[in-house]
Amino acid sequence: GAGVSQSPSNKVTEKGKDVELRCDPISGHTALYWYRQSLGQGLEFLIYFQGNSAPDKSGLPSDRFSAERTGGSVSTLTIQRTQQEDSAVYLCASSFKGDRVGEQYFGPGTRLTVT
Amino acid sequence: AQSVAQPEDQVNVAEGNPLTVKCTYSVSGNPYLFWYVQYPNRGLQFLLKYITGDNLVKGSYGFEAEFNKSQTSFHLKKPSALVSDSALYFCAVNEAAGNKLTFGGGTRVLVKP
Repeated sequence: GAGVSQSPSNKVTEKGKDVELRCDPISGHTALYWYRQSLGQGLEFLIYFQGNSAPDKSGLPSDRFSAERTGGSVSTLTIQRTQQEDSAVYLCASSFKGDRVGEQYFGPGTRLTVT
Repeated sequence: AQSVAQPEDQVNVAEGNPLTVKCTYSVSGNPYLFWYVQYPNRGLQFLLKYITGDNLVKGSYGFEAEFNKSQTSFHLKKPSALVSDSALYFCAVNEAAGNKLTFGGGTRVLVKP
């Protein structure tokens, strides 16, 4: 079946502009995660959605970052007033049930470059 | 706080030789440990996980990992490396309070023919 898809694959934006990154999880997966992969920073957790529960936003680096998940499926990560330090690969993952033992399936990522 | 350490930024190995990628962790409670691999220009792929039971876990592509509670380690191993194993490997732990993965910094593996 289809895996996790993300769009766009690449995004170049000017400092100060807003960007939206999209994630389509695997059908039937109830849990959805956003991570950021930066050079020298490794992989860091951003936000986690599980069903209709309130999302875990503990990893969002600032209030310029927000995410929503509509209808328990597609998710959009929005970065407002982008800064150069936001340049990174943004990865989305999904898992079944969201239980801690379930492996997460990752999308190919969106490479964001802020000029 | 939970953490994962991968002490080697890069591991070089000749094709056909055994491959080991090291990982140590720190968690409160029982750890749930994972290995992921990232091939060039591709997303992270799940390799294997330790939940409970046998300390030796077998995963995809001939990889295995050994959970050692006393040394808080979860090293990834492959008896005979292939050039196609060249990739970036991440160790991760599932935090007790939720489901977010905490990743190590990654280890780049280069298998030379």
